[in-house]
Amino acid sequence: GAVVSQHPSWVICKSGTSVKIECRSLDFQATTMFWYRQFPKQSLMLMATSNEGSKATYEQGVEKDKFLINHASLTLSTLTVTSAHPEDSSFYICSARDLARYEQYFGPGTRLTVT
Amino acid sequence: KNEVEQSPQNLTAQEGEFITINCSYSVGISALHWLQQHPGGGIVSLFMLSSGKKKHGRLIATINIQEKHSSLHITASHPRDSAVYICAVKEVYGGSQGNLIFGKGTKLSVKP
Repeated sequence: GAVVSQHPSWVICKSGTSVKIECRSLDFQATTMFWYRQFPKQSLMLMATSNEGSKATYEQGVEKDKFLINHASLTLSTLTVTSAHPEDSSFYICSARDLARYEQYFGPGTRLTVT
Repeated sequence: KNEVEQSPQNLTAQEGEFITINCSYSVGISALHWLQQHPGGGIVSLFMLSSGKKKHGRLIATINIQEKHSSLHITASHPRDSAVYICAVKEVYGGSQGNLIFGKGTKLSVKP
């Protein structure tokens, strides 16, 4: 099946720094990528939807200036957590929609810990 | 009431048992996903269904659109099947972005 990769798989950073997470579709083109956040023992929460070449659409309550999303190509979207705080510590998961098959595939996730 | 309900929430089975996880939803959908999340967190897409039945190895997924219900079956369960299984639906009127609505997951533990 189609593969979506995320990098890094885990990251520890200090408060106030910025962290960039990459999401790549490895064997298909994805015009749409989704970014989710998951707190322990809870389900995935959609943060934003990014479309290649245009601005991301953020869900209510998600600060667009804090969670910067860039979808510069059909195979890459990035999420940058700016000025990270301990409460940003979470599991971030991306998902990409296969343009040709209209199926959605999930990345393995990135665990962010802010100290 | 949640739009996507899974049952059971937790399930413990002995190795070799046949397992069924259920998902019921209350909205009109265009597709239903079954996902597997291991303790490390990574999510694997198991199935995407819009009708009927799909089979992959020991996993079988069925959906009944009229009854708004789907089941995930695992035959000859194995400890490595231990994970959280998540049902997610794509709402028909979810707009062009087609956001998924997630169930809360079923935590499966298979004992050797």
